[in-house]
Amino acid sequence: QVQLKESGPVLVQASETLSLTCTVSGFSLTNYGVIWVRQPPGKGLEWMGIIWRNGNTDYNSALKSRLSINRDTSKSQVFLKMNSLQTDDTAIYYCTRGGSLDYWGQGVMVTVSS
Amino acid sequence: DIQMTQSPSSMSASLGDRVTITCQASQDIGNNLIWFQQKPGKSPRRMIYYATNLANGVPSRFSGSRSGSDYSLTIISLESEDMADYHCLQYKQYPLTFGSGTKLEIK
Repeated sequence: QVQLKESGPVLVQASETLSLTCTVSGFSLTNYGVIWVRQPPGKGLEWMGIIWRNGNTDYNSALKSRLSINRDTSKSQVFLKMNSLQTDDTAIYYCTRGGSLDYWGQGVMVTVSS
Repeated sequence: DIQMTQSPSSMSASLGDRVTITCQASQDIGNNLIWFQQKPGKSPRRMIYYATNLANGVPSRFSGSRSGSDYSLTIISLESEDMADYHCLQYKQYPLTFGSGTKLEIK
């Protein structure tokens, strides 16, 4: 069955770089894109970016200068890297299957400490 | 970017009530809208896609509709398990954009 699972550090220092991994199963990254979404505590959802099935990427313009999304299709993994973290980057980070957004990971809560 | 204006931001309703949540799109998005339900501590769950299509496993008391640039999620008879946050998302154009969310509470 289709599954996505986020992993990465739960505490990051301000000004450092966040690295998260989304490991997928039940579908191929060459057939579906993967989207990253985040949600600050008590707030709404924010679309961060997508890696398309062909490997191309699109980013939220507000994050574009700090964000990169890559993948390793052989490992069924998608990687998010975001630098120059600030405390307002504290959020739950989700990955979800592109196109349909019908399957989501459980999310990883990342706290940025000053 | 397309703006999605969602209302109300919160509401309280009684069991059995009919509940409607609305999103208004700032530009034409056709029917490219998804409604999500999100319970505390959980990931979003897709409830409605392409504005009016019920996702697999979603109870039939949920429905989606469109009138021009206004999109609605309706629960025809509220049940206790429907207490959650609800979010709309337009996927007509990138960047994808969410509404600000509606917190639905049970009286």
